[in-house]
Parts: sequence; structure tokens; C-alpha cells
Amino acid sequence: EAGVVQSPRYKIIEKKQPVAFWCNPISGHNTLYWYRQNLGQGPELLIRYENEEAVDDSQLPKDRFSAERLKGVDSTLKIQPAELGDSAVYLCASSSRPSGDRGEQFFGPGTRLTVL
Amino acid sequence: SQQGEEDPQALSIQEGENATMNCSYKTSINNLQWYRQNSGRGLVHLILIRSNEREKHSGRLRVTLDTSKKSSSLLITASRAADTASYFCATAFSGSARQLTFGSGTQLTVLP
Repeated sequence: EAGVVQSPRYKIIEKKQPVAFWCNPISGHNTLYWYRQNLGQGPELLIRYENEEAVDDSQLPKDRFSAERLKGVDSTLKIQPAELGDSAVYLCASSSRPSGDRGEQFFGPGTRLTVL
Repeated sequence: SQQGEEDPQALSIQEGENATMNCSYKTSINNLQWYRQNSGRGLVHLILIRSNEREKHSGRLRVTLDTSKKSSSLLITASRAADTASYFCATAFSGSARQLTFGSGTQLTVLP
């Protein structure tokens, strides 16, 4: 079974430039998450999708960040314009509908963003 | 803000020794999960313990949960150099089992 796929793996941009990250979750997983992980910290949730609906985007800085999951499968996270403080690893994860003691999330390798 | 806090922040042990990491959290949970992250990689799920469970085992991993103290521990027995990684606890709040809040992690180094 293929895991969560993310691209690109690395991205270096200058501040004020736009950037986009792509994620393809595990086939059949309805729930998709975008996290940001700063150096030495745990991941922090940016947005969660249930199929194509964004059900929790309270932590997404909406002035510069946007996300979409148009067909309920793959997703794109965009930053425009990027700021120095956006340098981090952006992780995508997916999970199937939880039942019983399920609820584990499957993570992609992440995109390491450096803003100069 | 991060719900879980791991202790210690860093741990260095010799191969073959046991490693214990602790996690404390603040609010009622549905379940608590532990994840491992190797350098430059994504997170890998290790084990999940529900709020009505007190102990769970998986291979060399043993997890305990004390809901009265709002704390959990992860024990790795007979550690190997390949266990070197960051370990994160993640809590799923009651009523929102699909959403996880991660702690800041414990960096474990196992010396050969």
C-alpha cells in the first residue's frame, strides 16, 4: 500500500514569494490533515478535511494561507506571500474513518520550507 | 498551543538499556497515541491507548496511562541504535477523536 505522498520535499524561496505544497493521501482515507512543525517542536494542526470539506481551520492564518481539497482526494496548501517565520516543515497526514480504538494518522515525509 | 508535554526533552542511553519517556496533558481525552519521528522523516504511529485502558504492549514498547494524573509513559525495552529518534505523544480530545494535539517531543539517542 502506498503511503502519503508529498511534494516537493524541499523548497527554498525568498520572502514575499508564493509557495504551494501538494499532498496525496492513502487511498480511501477520508480525513486529511495539514500540520506545521517548527524546529524542535511537535506538529501543530493547520487544517483538517473530511472528504472535500474543511471542518477545522481555526489555526490556519487565513490572511496568507489557503488550502483546497477539491475532489476529496489530494490537497494543496498555499502560502502567499511567504514570511520569514513560515520556515518550517509542512506535514500532511491522512486517516480512515475512526471506529473503536482507531484514529491513528499516517504521515507523509513533509516539505521543508526555507524562507530567505 | 500544545496539549501534551514530554519529559525529558532529551535522553541519551546505551544500547540494551531501557528508555522511559513521560507525557502530561491537560484536558480529558478519548485516547493517547505515541509517534516516532526519525531525522528528516515523517511521523510513524507506534501505539494507541484508550482512556479506559491502563497499560498496553506492542513488541518492545509498553505504554501506561493514568487519567487521574493526566499522564502517560512510554517504555522502550532493550533499546537499539535504530531507536534513535524523536518521540511524541499526541492526545485526542473527548468528542473529537480524529483530531490530535502533539507534545513537543523527547529526543532519544541510543549509543552503540
